[in-house]
This record gives sequence, structure tokens and C-alpha cells, in this order.
Amino acid sequence: QVQLQESGPGLVKPSQTLSLTCTVSGGSISSGGFYWSWVRQHPGKGLEWLGYIYYSGSTYYNPSLKSRVTISVDTSKSQFSLEVSSVTAADTAIYYCARASTTVLNSWGQGTLVTVSS
Amino acid sequence: QSALTQPRSVSGSPGQSVTISCTGTSSDVGGYNYVSWYQLHPGKAPKLMIYDVNKRPSGVPDRFSGSKSGNTASLTISGLQAEDEADYYCCSYAGSYTLVFGGGTKLTVL
Repeated sequence: QVQLQESGPGLVKPSQTLSLTCTVSGGSISSGGFYWSWVRQHPGKGLEWLGYIYYSGSTYYNPSLKSRVTISVDTSKSQFSLEVSSVTAADTAIYYCARASTTVLNSWGQGTLVTVSS
Repeated sequence: QSALTQPRSVSGSPGQSVTISCTGTSSDVGGYNYVSWYQLHPGKAPKLMIYDVNKRPSGVPDRFSGSKSGNTASLTISGLQAEDEADYYCCSYAGSYTLVFGGGTKLTVL
């Protein structure tokens, strides 16, 4: 059974770049048919889909965040990563990584809280 | 791409049934049979409960069911149990390889 684990700094300063990594175990990140996704949840608010990447490197992003979000994949490490640039307090959230098809997020990590504060 | 509309909260007593609605537009919920539902318990990984409107992943009890009519999808939980108390989110494919979530519904088991 595939497992996903988010990692990265829990505190980021305003205007800097938030960087997180998701490590995949129990399954190959290069398996065809799966996309690797990031979702976030602002404190006390709903979920927001950020985007996903195919193992080949094709990326698809939420149009409202596209200019600040970059998702990349390192198949040799079985990891994929998220970068959010020029962060503000509004980017404070729990960030989840997930394995997906194009239409379903079928396995999730437990999430990691990232706080944007000076 | 606007968030799908869900009630902020619903409640029911053990053994009863509750239904959570999820309203979108013809560009998302109404345009595709790709609505999924997720259960969130604090501190735990979100769990897929329903996909493709009405399909259940293995391991999800058949007390959970999904449906769709027009631009509104619904999740029904029958025979409510205490462990069903959680936040529930709908999600729809919105075309061009994008997904959109609902605002979430807090289910309270009385």
C-alpha cells in the first residue's frame, strides 16, 4: 500500500519561498496512470487543490495560484516537491501531498503545517 | 474556478441518515461524472470515501453512498456511527486537468 510523507520547514518568512517534499513508499512514483498532487488547508478553512505532476514531468496547476506554484518530481529519490514563491501570511496552511488520477486523490499523506511569519 | 458550495454543518443521531450536498456549475459538477468525497479527521490523513460520483473504494462501508443531479452532488451516510463524525469535502474535476473542492461540511453525531 502506497504511503506518502510530507517534510520541510514549518516556518517560512514572508516574501520567501516555501519548499516541501513528499516521499513516496510502497509503490513506484514512476507507475503510469498516477499523478502526484499537492493540496492545502488554511486554518479553519476548506481544502484547496494546488496542482499535480506526472512522473514524466508534465505539470498542471490551479489557475489562481499558477504564477507562484511549482511542482517537480525526482523519480530516483521517489519524491516530488512543491515550491510556493513570495509567500504571505495567507499561505499559512496544512499542506498535504497525495497520489491521484486526474480526477481522484486516492491516497494522502498526513499533512504538515507551514506557518508564514517573520 | 470558484469553490463548490457545501453546508457548513450537518448533524444526526446514531443510526439515522444524513445527506451532504455539494453544488457547483455546469463547468465542474454538472459537466463531469467525476465527483469525489473525502473524510477528514484532525491529525489524520484525509480518506477517499466516494469517487466518480457513486463508487466506493474497497474498505469503505456501504453506509456511504453518492449521487448527482444536475449541478449538485450528494453524499449520504446511513446508519450513522460515532466514528463518522468528521469533516467531509467534495471535489470535482473542472476540466483542463484541474480540480476544485467544496468548502467542507462538519458532521456532528449527536
